[in-house]
Amino acid sequence: DAGITQSPRHKVTETGTPVTLRCHQTENHRYMYWYRQDPGHGLRLIHYSYGVKDTDKGEVSDGYSVSRSKTEDFLLTLESATSSQTSVYFCAISESILTSQPQHFGDGTRLSIL
Amino acid sequence: DAKTTQPTSMDCAEGRAANLPCNHSTISGNEYVYWYRQIHSQGPQYIIHGLKNNETNEMASLIITEDRKSSTLILPHATLRDTAVYYCIVRVRDNYGQNFVFGPGTRLSVLP
Repeated sequence: DAGITQSPRHKVTETGTPVTLRCHQTENHRYMYWYRQDPGHGLRLIHYSYGVKDTDKGEVSDGYSVSRSKTEDFLLTLESATSSQTSVYFCAISESILTSQPQHFGDGTRLSIL
Repeated sequence: DAKTTQPTSMDCAEGRAANLPCNHSTISGNEYVYWYRQIHSQGPQYIIHGLKNNETNEMASLIITEDRKSSTLILPHATLRDTAVYYCIVRVRDNYGQNFVFGPGTRLSVLP
């Protein structure tokens, strides 16, 4: 299995508080992604990174920011959490962005915003 | 964008081959077919992918029809641990690069 660690695995917090989720990889892959998974929506891309300090928005980026200061770490921040951001968040990595290369996923962070 | 159609659910007896079908009739010539699975409370796990030829790895085999409009994932000897939701995905190029669009998938239940 790809070396991807997400932390925390579970978090419960209140509306309006800031939340940061961490994705750590040991594969030295250039590309990293944040998805959220909700019933009826499958996985939706939030943000992705194509290198250190290089990030871009995905399909559902509103309310989220990311940072990548090192190859191995990709952080997802909810500046002011809302109940609509209750979800399971998955980090993924890939060696390249070519369609011939798979993405490998972490085990997710279950986030509940009360 | 190429979309996929999979049965909602399937059962398979433990030790038998599990054959999971997928239709992707609008697939383009350079789009890969990927299979992932997701076991409850875990992240999606990559299984296999292919373009035109049949593929095999330690987990499964992928059979793609000659016209590429459908494919079948084969788990040769299903075990209880193979119970999961299986996603057939055609990787598309979109505004965000090339990303995976996960549909509802097939819920495979391996029965003892």
